[in-house]
Amino acid sequence: SQQGEEDPQALSIQEGENATMNCSYKTSINNLQWYRQNSGRGLVHLILIRSNEREKHSGRLRVTLDTSKKSSSLLITASRAADTASYFCATDYGGATNKLIFGTGTLLAVQP
Amino acid sequence: DADVTQTPRNRITKTGKRIMLECSQTKGHDRMYWYRQDPGLGLRLIYYSFDVKDINKGEISDGYSVSRQAQAKFSLSLESAIPNQTALYFCATSDLTTSETQYFGPGTRLLVL
Repeated sequence: SQQGEEDPQALSIQEGENATMNCSYKTSINNLQWYRQNSGRGLVHLILIRSNEREKHSGRLRVTLDTSKKSSSLLITASRAADTASYFCATDYGGATNKLIFGTGTLLAVQP
Repeated sequence: DADVTQTPRNRITKTGKRIMLECSQTKGHDRMYWYRQDPGLGLRLIYYSFDVKDINKGEISDGYSVSRQAQAKFSLSLESAIPNQTALYFCATSDLTTSETQYFGPGTRLLVL
């Protein structure tokens, strides 16, 4: 399977702290995306980073990509209780298909 | 109104029954996808469609079939449901002319007894 892996599987932090989660993948990619899922709900797109980019910011989110290590990280700064959710990375291997391969997810719990 | 809708939201069925899950979108996207989610396994692609006349198998298509009735509608069928098809099913859409992002429906929770 080409499915990516994320670590940690679960992360518990206090409000105001930063949360970092990591994603590793197996072959060259066109882009890597991060999605958020609230319990039992649909996934919501957070941010996309292309293979020629190394870092990207969106509000309190910071994503890095290291293509030599085939890894990415998502940093959420100044976390809030509302950030509690599962976070998934998804890799797009390019071509015409736009198929995404999802990682196994990190469950983030932010304690108030 | 939600851009991507799924019906039903919850379904309980018995082994051997045929069931259909439906997905509709108002985003005008040409591409639609069906995924299943199992605990600890993330999302896995079942089928995807680039337009009404184009259907493709994904990673785990065995035991499933799909129908793209119109650009806005993509249905997933379980011809003879089995308990290991108990999962959360998601429909998604995308439009490569604007973005590689996929937009997800709220999901259908299926329990096969």
